[in-house]
Amino acid sequence: AQSVTQLGSHVSVSEGALVLLRCNYSSSVPPYLFWYVQYPNQGLQLLLKYTSAATLVKGINGFEAEFKKSETSFHLTKPSAHMSDAAEYFCAVSDSGTYKYIFGTGTRLKVLA
Amino acid sequence: NAGVTQTPKFQVLKTGQSMTLQCAQDMNHNSMYWYRQDPGMGLRLIYYSASEGTTDKGEVPNGYNVSRLNKREFSLRLESAAPSQTSVYFCASSVAGQTRETQYFGPGTRLLVL
Repeated sequence: AQSVTQLGSHVSVSEGALVLLRCNYSSSVPPYLFWYVQYPNQGLQLLLKYTSAATLVKGINGFEAEFKKSETSFHLTKPSAHMSDAAEYFCAVSDSGTYKYIFGTGTRLKVLA
Repeated sequence: NAGVTQTPKFQVLKTGQSMTLQCAQDMNHNSMYWYRQDPGMGLRLIYYSASEGTTDKGEVPNGYNVSRLNKREFSLRLESAAPSQTSVYFCASSVAGQTRETQYFGPGTRLLVL
């Protein structure tokens, strides 16, 4: 079965600094990978997804992620953090052959002024 | 276009009480899902419905039942609530349930079981 690991349940960055949120997956076949963002007291919304096209995926709000098969990683980055980026971020991988996603445990991003 | 809506937004139950969480989507999606979100555990799939008329168990189905009432609506029922079911519940939908698709989430229902 698929699994996904997000390293760091809490990450703090200064406003204007690089954001790097880590996600590693386990899969013997190329998966579909997603990053979702959850703002306080809201549901999840899609940031970006990888579906076996370009390995560098650009999403909303200046975020991007790179699929690295050799490292089984799909880390999320943003060159310059903004206060409005403070939220919880979830990496998810599709469970091949089913309709199911497997979600990571989430990383809460704090942006310091 | 409201997307995915959930009712109620917040509910307090006593142990042993029952309740139904309602979910509706207006995007003409075929597939719908129920998740629970607990601190440090991410989202875990309770049940899903690949299409109208079908439902399947997810990762944590015990203590829950679901009904796919029609293409728009997918309800989650707790027959006898337990404190372990205190959680935030999210409904989601996708076009056809294929694993490359985006899932669209509702705003959640916060449930407290005393």
